[in-house]
Amino acid sequence: KQEVTQIPAALSVPEGENLVLNCSFTDSAIYNLQWFRQDPGKGLTSLLLIQSSQREQTSGRLNASLDKSSGRSTLYIAASQPGDSATYLCAGLSNFGNEKLTFGTGTRLTIIP
Amino acid sequence: EAGVTQFPSHSVIEKGQTVTLRCDPISGHDNLYWYRRVMGKEIKFLLHFVKESKQDESGMPNNRFLAERTGGTYSTLKVQPAELEDSGVYFCASSQVFGSGVETQYFGPGTRLLVL
Repeated sequence: KQEVTQIPAALSVPEGENLVLNCSFTDSAIYNLQWFRQDPGKGLTSLLLIQSSQREQTSGRLNASLDKSSGRSTLYIAASQPGDSATYLCAGLSNFGNEKLTFGTGTRLTIIP
Repeated sequence: EAGVTQFPSHSVIEKGQTVTLRCDPISGHDNLYWYRRVMGKEIKFLLHFVKESKQDESGMPNNRFLAERTGGTYSTLKVQPAELEDSGVYFCASSQVFGSGVETQYFGPGTRLLVL
């Protein structure tokens, strides 16, 4: 059974700094991993999806990596901005044919102006 | 292109009443998923439709929950009768056909359900 953990639960960083959010999972037979952001009272916005055959994906100031052997994924945010403040969630799709995402509890990120 | 939409955005009902949530997936997406987040917990899978067929309903908590997807378009999730522990945010997501290489699940804004 896949379990996903995100530590820390909350993080505050001054504007302009680079930061890394962590996600760990227990089942290395992961098919893909997706990073989302959630703004207060809103739905989930997909940020990046990494297939199991990939090591990383980039979109603008965001870079996500996936290391199946260690059961870890990271989301790197460069030059943080106040608009990056949100809750960031990672979710793993365990294996081909099993399409339910297993979510972590999220990291609440606050960028301090 | 319109994203995943959900209705209503909020619902407050009394214990024992019935509530029906609706989800309209992105046009052309055969896969439709329901997830739920209860207070303080992570988002958890409820069930998965492929077109009108239930592919996986292993996450449905009990038989008070009934999901349908008539005609393979929109889906409804009915809770009858509602209990206090059903309170939470219900998310719907959709994706294209699995194995196409484009399997990102796109989420709707959620329905916030409060059972009093």
